[in-house]
Amino acid sequence: GENVEQHPSTLSVQEGDSAVIKCTYSDSASNYFPWYKQELGKRPQLIIDIRSNVGEKKDQRIAVTLNKTAKHFSLHITETQPEDSAVYFCAASKGTSYGKLTFGQGTILTVHP
Amino acid sequence: DAGVIQSPRHEVTEMGQEVTLRCKPISGHDYLFWYRQTMMRGLELLIYFNNNVPIDDSGMPEDRFSAKMPNASFSTLKIQPSEPRDSAVYFCASSDQPGTESNYGYTFGSGTRLTVV
Repeated sequence: GENVEQHPSTLSVQEGDSAVIKCTYSDSASNYFPWYKQELGKRPQLIIDIRSNVGEKKDQRIAVTLNKTAKHFSLHITETQPEDSAVYFCAASKGTSYGKLTFGQGTILTVHP
Repeated sequence: DAGVIQSPRHEVTEMGQEVTLRCKPISGHDYLFWYRQTMMRGLELLIYFNNNVPIDDSGMPEDRFSAKMPNASFSTLKIQPSEPRDSAVYFCASSDQPGTESNYGYTFGSGTRLTVV
C-alpha cells in the first residue's frame, strides 16, 4: 500500500520567516495530495491541495509544489504568523481508491513572535 | 450545513465495556471515513464507506472493532470489549463523489476523545 513520509517532525521558526514541510510518497499511482492543519484539540482542516496534473499551487501565503518524478511534494508557508502554529499533515491518495487518504506523521510547527 | 457531527465529544469507560461512537456526515456526501489518531501512530484509516457500503476495512485493528452505516446520514463505530490501548481520538470524515470540484477533500468531524481506564 501507499506509504507517506513527512519531514521534519518539528519545525520552529521566527515570525515572518518561511517554513517548508516535505513529504514523499511511495505509490506512483497516487494523484491527489492534500495538506491539513490541525490546531490543538481541534479537527484537521484542509488548507490546500494539489492534483498530479499540476506542479504548483498557491493560495495567499501558502503554496504546494509537486514533483511526480521524485514522488515528493512540499508545503511552503511564507511570512509566518503565530496563528500558523499547529500540526500539519500531508496525505496522498489514488483515483482508483478515491478518498482513501494515507497521511504522513505530521509536523509540529511553532512560530515564535 | 452543520458539518460532520460526531458524538460523544469525550468518552471515558472502563476496560471491557462496550463503546459506541456516532457520526452524521454532511448531507449529500457519498463517502464516510473513520480514522483513529494517536501520538504514536498518527492518523490511521480504520474503515470507509461509499453509499453506505463498507469498501475497505483493512485498517480495523481487530475483531473487537466494528462499524456500520445503516443509512446515508448515520454511522457507528463500536468497540467491544474496549481495552486501554484503544484510547485515542476517533475522527469521522465525509467527502463528495470523485470529480466534485467543490470538495475534493475530506471534511472532518470534531472527533471523539476515548479514554479506556
